[in-house]
Amino acid sequence: QKEVEQNSGPLSVPEGAIASLNCTYSDRGSQSFFWYRQYSGKSPELIMFIYSNGDKEDGRFTAQLNKASQYVSLLIRDSQPSDSATYLCATQGGSEKLVFGKGTKLTVNP
Amino acid sequence: DAGVIQSPRHEVTEMGQEVTLRCKPISGHNSLFWYRQTMMRGLELLIYFNNNVPIDDSGMPEDRFSAKMPNASFSTLKIQPSEPRDSAVYFCATDRGTVGNEQFFGPGTRLTVL
Repeated sequence: QKEVEQNSGPLSVPEGAIASLNCTYSDRGSQSFFWYRQYSGKSPELIMFIYSNGDKEDGRFTAQLNKASQYVSLLIRDSQPSDSATYLCATQGGSEKLVFGKGTKLTVNP
Repeated sequence: DAGVIQSPRHEVTEMGQEVTLRCKPISGHNSLFWYRQTMMRGLELLIYFNNNVPIDDSGMPEDRFSAKMPNASFSTLKIQPSEPRDSAVYFCATDRGTVGNEQFFGPGTRLTVL
């Protein structure tokens, strides 16, 4: 059974701080890794993807991947109240099938 | 582009009734995915199609669930008969049909079975 584990939170950070979201996965065959953001009552939307070990930066977001440790993380710098949402980690192996974690709820306090 | 279109947005039905959820993919997207989301189980893939052909239906919970994609512009997910434990948000998502592509999600159908 392929599993993706996330701390359900809630994770609460003050405005302007760095939010760190973590994810571990069980399938060593996973090749692609995605972070989706889901606002309450809305559908998931992609914010970051990463395929190679190391860091990938996009604006205030940085995704980090360590395949040896089967670990992927998302850092959000200068957190804003509008970042308050549930963040879903997803992995993908040799097919298009995504396996999602249950998500971490982030609250950014003004 | 209008994005992925799902209907209805909300459905309330009684146990034992047939429920049909509908999805129109983004034009040009070759793969379509049906997901179910609940608090307990999170977001689970039920089935996905590539070029209208079912590729993986291992997530379909039981024979009460069926899905079809008769053409590139339309898919349905049917539950017959429905049960209260089927209450969830059902999402349809589509992508361009290759590994590594972004999946775009529709707004979802919130199903309540009484």
